[in-house]
Amino acid sequence: DGGITQSPKYLFRKEGQNVTLSCEQNLNHDAMYWYRQDPGQGLRLIYYSQIVNDFQKGDIAEGYSVSREKKESFPLTVTSAQKNPTAFYLCATGTAYEQYFGPGTRLTVT
Amino acid sequence: GQNIDQPTEMTATEGAIVQINCTYQTSGFNGLFWYQQHAGEAPTFLSYNVLDGLEEKGRFSSFLSRSKGYSYLLLKELQMKDSASYLCAVRDQDYKLSFGAGTTVTVRA
Repeated sequence: DGGITQSPKYLFRKEGQNVTLSCEQNLNHDAMYWYRQDPGQGLRLIYYSQIVNDFQKGDIAEGYSVSREKKESFPLTVTSAQKNPTAFYLCATGTAYEQYFGPGTRLTVT
Repeated sequence: GQNIDQPTEMTATEGAIVQINCTYQTSGFNGLFWYQQHAGEAPTFLSYNVLDGLEEKGRFSSFLSRSKGYSYLLLKELQMKDSASYLCAVRDQDYKLSFGAGTTVTVRA
Protein backbone atom coordinates (compact mmCIF):
# COMPACT_ATOMS: atom_id res chain seq x y z
CA ASP A 1 0.00 0.00 0.00
CA GLY A 2 1.53 3.31 -1.02
CA GLY A 3 1.26 6.77 0.35
CA ILE A 4 2.05 8.88 3.38
CA THR A 5 2.01 7.45 6.87
CA GLN A 6 1.76 9.47 10.06
CA SER A 7 1.77 7.80 13.40
CA PRO A 8 0.22 7.75 15.85
CA LYS A 9 -3.20 9.18 14.98
CA TYR A 10 -3.69 10.50 18.51
CA LEU A 11 -0.89 11.44 20.92
CA PHE A 12 -1.08 12.66 24.49
CA ARG A 13 1.81 14.21 26.39
CA LYS A 14 2.46 16.07 29.58
CA GLU A 15 3.63 19.65 29.45
CA GLY A 16 7.42 19.93 29.49
CA GLN A 17 8.07 16.79 27.47
CA ASN A 18 9.47 16.70 23.96
CA VAL A 19 7.54 14.56 21.49
CA THR A 20 8.44 13.36 17.99
CA LEU A 21 5.83 12.91 15.28
CA SER A 22 6.55 10.46 12.50
CA CYS A 23 6.04 11.01 8.76
CA GLU A 24 7.02 8.34 6.23
CA GLN A 25 6.35 8.25 2.48
CA ASN A 26 6.95 5.73 -0.29
CA LEU A 27 5.92 8.01 -3.16
CA ASN A 28 9.54 8.91 -3.98
CA HIS A 29 8.70 12.60 -3.57
CA ASP A 30 11.57 15.01 -2.97
CA ALA A 31 9.60 17.66 -1.09
CA MET A 32 8.16 17.14 2.38
CA TYR A 33 6.29 19.60 4.61
CA TRP A 34 4.96 19.95 8.14
CA TYR A 35 1.87 22.03 8.96
CA ARG A 36 -0.21 22.58 12.02
CA GLN A 37 -3.92 23.34 12.07
CA ASP A 38 -5.78 24.80 15.00
CA PRO A 39 -9.58 24.50 15.34
CA GLY A 40 -11.38 26.64 12.79
CA GLN A 41 -8.14 27.92 11.29
CA GLY A 42 -6.08 27.40 8.17
CA LEU A 43 -2.85 25.45 7.82
CA ARG A 44 0.37 27.09 8.96
CA LEU A 45 3.75 25.93 7.67
CA ILE A 46 6.26 24.80 10.29
CA TYR A 47 9.19 23.37 8.28
CA TYR A 48 9.77 22.09 4.78
CA SER A 49 12.47 20.15 2.95
CA GLN A 50 13.25 19.94 -0.75
CA ILE A 51 16.08 17.43 -0.49
CA VAL A 52 17.76 15.05 1.93
CA ASN A 53 19.90 16.73 4.60
CA ASP A 54 18.38 20.14 3.91
CA PHE A 55 15.31 21.90 5.33
CA GLN A 56 13.95 25.42 5.76
CA LYS A 57 11.90 27.15 8.44
CA GLY A 58 8.31 27.95 7.65
CA ASP A 59 6.18 30.65 9.24
CA ILE A 60 5.98 29.18 12.75
CA ALA A 61 9.19 27.18 13.31
CA GLU A 62 9.86 28.34 16.88
CA GLY A 63 9.64 25.47 19.35
CA TYR A 64 9.93 22.80 16.65
CA SER A 65 12.80 20.87 15.06
CA VAL A 66 13.08 18.49 12.11
CA SER A 67 15.57 16.22 10.37
CA ARG A 68 15.75 14.81 6.86
CA GLU A 69 18.28 12.01 6.93
CA LYS A 70 16.38 9.86 4.43
CA LYS A 71 14.19 10.76 1.48
CA GLU A 72 11.34 8.70 2.91
CA SER A 73 11.26 10.23 6.38
CA PHE A 74 10.74 13.71 7.83
CA PRO A 75 10.13 13.51 11.60
CA LEU A 76 8.98 16.57 13.56
CA THR A 77 9.93 17.14 17.21
CA VAL A 78 7.68 19.35 19.26
CA THR A 79 9.88 20.67 22.04
CA SER A 80 8.93 21.95 25.46
CA ALA A 81 9.70 25.45 24.14
CA GLN A 82 6.55 25.37 21.96
CA LYS A 83 4.03 27.37 23.98
CA ASN A 84 0.81 26.02 22.48
CA PRO A 85 1.60 22.55 21.14
CA THR A 86 -1.93 21.13 21.16
CA ALA A 87 -2.99 20.99 17.50
CA PHE A 88 -3.62 18.80 14.46
CA TYR A 89 -0.26 18.16 12.74
CA LEU A 90 -0.20 17.36 9.04
CA CYS A 91 2.68 16.09 6.96
CA ALA A 92 2.64 16.52 3.18
CA THR A 93 4.82 15.41 0.29
CA GLY A 94 4.88 16.60 -3.28
CA THR A 95 6.32 17.07 -6.71
CA ALA A 96 6.15 20.06 -9.03
CA TYR A 97 2.53 19.29 -9.95
CA GLU A 98 0.89 17.82 -6.89
CA GLN A 99 1.02 17.70 -3.13
CA TYR A 100 -0.63 15.18 -0.88
CA PHE A 101 -1.27 15.06 2.84
CA GLY A 102 -0.92 12.26 5.31
CA PRO A 103 -3.80 11.44 7.68
CA GLY A 104 -2.43 13.69 10.43
CA THR A 105 -1.60 13.35 14.14
CA ARG A 106 -3.72 15.02 16.82
CA LEU A 107 -1.41 16.05 19.64
CA THR A 108 -2.82 16.99 23.02
CA VAL A 109 -0.51 18.39 25.67
CA THR A 110 -1.85 18.82 29.21
CA GLY B 1 5.74 36.62 1.92
CA GLN B 2 2.32 35.60 0.69
CA ASN B 3 -1.11 37.04 1.35
CA ILE B 4 -3.99 34.75 0.38
CA ASP B 5 -7.65 35.74 0.69
CA GLN B 6 -10.79 33.68 0.24
CA PRO B 7 -14.33 34.07 1.58
CA THR B 8 -15.03 32.53 4.96
CA GLU B 9 -18.35 30.85 4.17
CA MET B 10 -20.64 30.08 1.26
CA THR B 11 -24.00 28.32 1.09
CA ALA B 12 -25.60 26.73 -1.96
CA THR B 13 -28.39 24.35 -2.90
CA GLU B 14 -27.94 20.75 -3.96
CA GLY B 15 -27.55 20.56 -7.75
CA ALA B 16 -26.43 24.18 -8.05
CA ILE B 17 -23.04 25.70 -8.93
CA VAL B 18 -20.73 27.50 -6.50
CA GLN B 19 -17.62 29.54 -7.30
CA ILE B 20 -14.99 30.05 -4.59
CA ASN B 21 -12.63 32.92 -5.28
CA CYS B 22 -9.04 33.23 -4.11
CA THR B 23 -6.81 36.27 -4.47
CA TYR B 24 -3.14 36.24 -3.64
CA GLN B 25 0.01 38.30 -3.49
CA THR B 26 3.30 36.46 -3.61
CA SER B 27 6.97 36.97 -4.36
CA GLY B 28 7.74 34.56 -7.19
CA PHE B 29 4.59 32.63 -8.09
CA ASN B 30 5.20 28.94 -8.70
CA GLY B 31 1.76 27.33 -8.73
CA LEU B 32 -1.65 27.36 -7.05
CA PHE B 33 -3.39 24.40 -5.43
CA TRP B 34 -6.94 23.71 -4.27
CA TYR B 35 -7.81 21.23 -1.54
CA GLN B 36 -10.99 19.89 0.01
CA GLN B 37 -11.07 19.21 3.74
CA HIS B 38 -13.92 17.52 5.56
CA ALA B 39 -14.24 18.19 9.27
CA GLY B 40 -11.72 16.21 11.31
CA GLU B 41 -9.87 14.89 8.27
CA ALA B 42 -6.73 15.74 6.32
CA PRO B 43 -7.03 17.87 3.16
CA THR B 44 -7.35 16.05 -0.16
CA PHE B 45 -5.76 17.39 -3.35
CA LEU B 46 -8.22 18.73 -5.94
CA SER B 47 -6.29 20.71 -8.54
CA TYR B 48 -3.09 22.44 -9.56
CA ASN B 49 -2.73 25.51 -11.82
CA VAL B 50 0.51 27.14 -12.90
CA LEU B 51 -0.50 28.59 -16.30
CA ASP B 52 -3.41 30.92 -16.99
CA GLY B 53 -6.67 29.29 -17.88
CA LEU B 54 -9.18 26.71 -16.82
CA GLU B 55 -8.43 23.16 -15.67
CA GLU B 56 -11.43 20.83 -15.59
CA LYS B 57 -11.71 17.64 -13.58
CA GLY B 58 -15.20 16.19 -13.62
CA ARG B 59 -17.53 18.35 -11.51
CA PHE B 60 -14.65 20.53 -10.30
CA SER B 61 -12.82 23.18 -12.35
CA SER B 62 -10.09 25.61 -11.35
CA PHE B 63 -9.14 28.85 -13.08
CA LEU B 64 -6.01 30.97 -12.78
CA SER B 65 -5.07 34.49 -13.84
CA ARG B 66 -1.47 35.19 -12.84
CA SER B 67 -1.57 38.85 -13.90
CA LYS B 68 -4.54 39.47 -11.60
CA GLY B 69 -3.33 37.25 -8.75
CA TYR B 70 -6.67 35.47 -8.90
CA SER B 71 -8.03 31.96 -8.97
CA TYR B 72 -11.40 30.33 -8.53
CA LEU B 73 -12.65 26.83 -7.85
CA LEU B 74 -15.96 25.98 -9.52
CA LEU B 75 -18.07 23.19 -8.10
CA LYS B 76 -20.88 22.02 -10.38
CA GLU B 77 -23.91 19.80 -9.72
CA LEU B 78 -23.42 20.19 -6.00
CA GLN B 79 -23.97 17.16 -3.80
CA MET B 80 -24.44 16.99 -0.05
CA LYS B 81 -21.03 15.33 0.28
CA ASP B 82 -19.43 18.49 -1.15
CA SER B 83 -20.11 20.25 2.16
CA ALA B 84 -16.55 20.86 3.36
CA SER B 85 -13.83 23.46 3.70
CA TYR B 86 -11.99 24.40 0.49
CA LEU B 87 -8.41 25.59 0.81
CA CYS B 88 -6.48 27.74 -1.65
CA ALA B 89 -2.68 27.41 -1.45
CA VAL B 90 0.07 29.28 -3.30
CA ARG B 91 3.64 28.08 -3.87
CA ASP B 92 6.56 30.47 -4.29
CA GLN B 93 9.88 30.10 -6.12
CA ASP B 94 11.44 28.48 -3.03
CA TYR B 95 8.74 25.77 -3.10
CA LYS B 96 7.21 27.17 0.07
CA LEU B 97 3.45 26.43 0.04
CA SER B 98 1.19 28.78 2.01
CA PHE B 99 -2.54 28.38 2.62
CA GLY B 100 -5.50 30.68 2.86
CA ALA B 101 -7.82 30.33 5.84
CA GLY B 102 -10.29 28.24 3.86
CA THR B 103 -13.88 28.62 2.67
CA THR B 104 -16.57 26.55 4.37
CA VAL B 105 -19.18 25.47 1.83
CA THR B 106 -22.54 24.27 3.09
CA VAL B 107 -24.79 22.43 0.66
CA ARG B 108 -28.51 22.50 1.51
CA ALA B 109 -31.16 20.15 0.20
